[in-house]
Amino acid sequence: ETGVTQTPRHLVMGMTNKKSLKCEQHLGHNAMYWYKQSAKKPLELMFVYNFKEQTENNSVPSRFSPECPNSSHLFLHLHTLQPEDSALYLCASSQGGGPYEQYFGPGTRLTVT
Amino acid sequence: GENVEQHPSTLSVQEGDSAVIKCTYSDSASNYFPWYKQELGKRPQLIIDIRSNVGEKKDQRIAVTLNKTAKHFSLHITETQPEDSAVYFCAAKTLNAGNMLTFGGGTRLMVKP
Repeated sequence: ETGVTQTPRHLVMGMTNKKSLKCEQHLGHNAMYWYKQSAKKPLELMFVYNFKEQTENNSVPSRFSPECPNSSHLFLHLHTLQPEDSALYLCASSQGGGPYEQYFGPGTRLTVT
Repeated sequence: GENVEQHPSTLSVQEGDSAVIKCTYSDSASNYFPWYKQELGKRPQLIIDIRSNVGEKKDQRIAVTLNKTAKHFSLHITETQPEDSAVYFCAAKTLNAGNMLTFGGGTRLMVKP
């Protein structure tokens, strides 16, 4: 499936590193999302963007910084992460407000050492 | 905000048997209830959804029922097959919550051949 792509697929970083996750959707959707998936909280919403505007920040620590330059691209900038931030980070997109299906990307498996 | 509880967390059935997964939600304003299936190592994908103006919806071997009064909804899988083995997530969306979906904790379904 190529509707929603994410890079990199795997990332190992130290606690002092700065890295970015990238998500791209080719579905013409208006809304994009970042989720964190871990054993503790299987699907935890982090951020929501609608027409490039951030509409939700689910009390996420400032060491995670999202960026949405246009409706097709979404980034998650990471800095000074903690080992407990190790998880699968999933990007998703949908048509926008309303009861529309969310299409997920394959995820980035992040390990913080 | 919305709170979605999902039970059971794990479910093991014999091939050919039925499986039922239940979710409860807290916000009576919720009006959209999707179910996602996530196979091992893959992304979550929508398998069925129901809106609040409908009590039941069926698609081949899967069905979803909604009880708005009791604020619960259930996924029913009949004639289970080994390929139904996966983690299933329920979710709820509230009218005034923008694009936000609140997910349940997931159910790991194992279908034994």
